[in-house]
Amino acid sequence: KQEVTQIPAALSVPEGENLVLNCSFTDSAIYNLQWFRQDPGKGLTSLLLIQSSQREQTSGRLNASLDKSSGRSTLYIAASQPGDSATYLCAVAAWGANSKLTFGKGITLSVRP
Amino acid sequence: EPEVTQTPSHQVTQMGQEVILRCVPISNHLYFYWYRQILGQKVEFLVSFYNNEISEKSEIFDDQFSVERPDGSNFTLKIRSTKLEDSAMYFCASRGDENTGELFFGEGSRLTVL
Repeated sequence: KQEVTQIPAALSVPEGENLVLNCSFTDSAIYNLQWFRQDPGKGLTSLLLIQSSQREQTSGRLNASLDKSSGRSTLYIAASQPGDSATYLCAVAAWGANSKLTFGKGITLSVRP
Repeated sequence: EPEVTQTPSHQVTQMGQEVILRCVPISNHLYFYWYRQILGQKVEFLVSFYNNEISEKSEIFDDQFSVERPDGSNFTLKIRSTKLEDSAMYFCASRGDENTGELFFGEGSRLTVL
């Protein structure tokens, strides 16, 4: 059974810092990995999706990498801003495009002005 | 930008009552999902739906739950007799026909069972 872990549960950094959020998964046989942002009491906003054949994806100040063999992904946020404060979740799809997503618990990020 | 919309945003109900949560997926999407998130816990898969039938369901999705696409735009989740432990945020998601597998989620419906 796939397990997705995100440690630490919370992180507080000063504005401007570059930071890395980690995600690990137990079964390396994944179809894709998706990073989401969740603001308090809100829905999930897709940030980046990495297919199993890819190593990384970039969007603006965000870069996500995937190392399937070691069961790890990282989300890199450059030059963090207070508006980046949110919970970041990673989720993996097992066998195909229609596979259910298995989520981590998320990392709650606070960027201090 | 197209988005998944959900109603109601918050519903409070008494234990044992029936609840219907509604979703309007992105218009050209073909695959539909329900997930839920109990406060402080992980987002969990409930059910996936394609071509008017359930593709996959989790252990959580027992006989008390059902899904329906009553017309060309709505996708509903019905809980027949709510329990206290059904209190959660329920998220609808949809995806298109491409094989990326990227899911787009709605803002969620918060269900509180008293």
